Amino acid sequence: KAGVTQTPRYLIKTRGQQVTLSCSPISGHRSVSWYQQTPGQGLQFLFEYFSETQRNKGNFPGRFSGRQFSNSRSEMNVSTLELGDSALYLCASSRSSGRVSDNEQFFGPGTRLTVL
Amino acid sequence: AQKITQTQPGMFVQEKEAVTLDCTYDTSDPSYGLFWYKQPSSGEMIFLIYQGSYDQQNATEGRYSLNFQKARKSANLVISASQLGDSAMYFCAMREWTGISGNTPLVFGKGTRLSVIA
Repeated sequence: KAGVTQTPRYLIKTRGQQVTLSCSPISGHRSVSWYQQTPGQGLQFLFEYFSETQRNKGNFPGRFSGRQFSNSRSEMNVSTLELGDSALYLCASSRSSGRVSDNEQFFGPGTRLTVL
Repeated sequence: AQKITQTQPGMFVQEKEAVTLDCTYDTSDPSYGLFWYKQPSSGEMIFLIYQGSYDQQNATEGRYSLNFQKARKSANLVISASQLGDSAMYFCAMREWTGISGNTPLVFGKGTRLSVIA
């Protein structure tokens, strides 16, 4: 069974540009969550999508947005990049069926974004 | 609000020895789950073990076991027979179960860097 995949794995952008990251969840998983990891702030939740609807949102500015498609694949977009957006962006998927055991999140390898 | 505390920024352990990584949590919700993840230098978060708040027994997965003490709100990870490949960052995390309409996102601790020495 294929795991969570994220593309691209590495990305270098300059300030002011925008970027789109992609995440394909494990087959059968309907929930996709995004996290930002930085050395200073640690792991912080960005947002969660379930059946194409945003279900939870973290405390990030509006420059960070996301969406989910009917096949559960998700994208996140960051507009007007700032130096502080340099981070590892992790995507996680879960079945989220309502059963507690189906809420375990499985992570992808991450996309490492560097903003110059 | 949920909170996870990992008080050990770094730990060293001799190969083949056991090691305990500490984790305490804070929540007012009776229904929650506790998770441990391993993050090697490659960056991927690898799920290790899960403990539900209503589980009567401590979770075990191979060489990993979770020492769950609900009254103390602690969920320590025990790794038995450490191997060189266990060297990585380890994160404790939790989420509250709010029902099928949505559970709270994972909240992570700051992590513990484990170094296994030959």
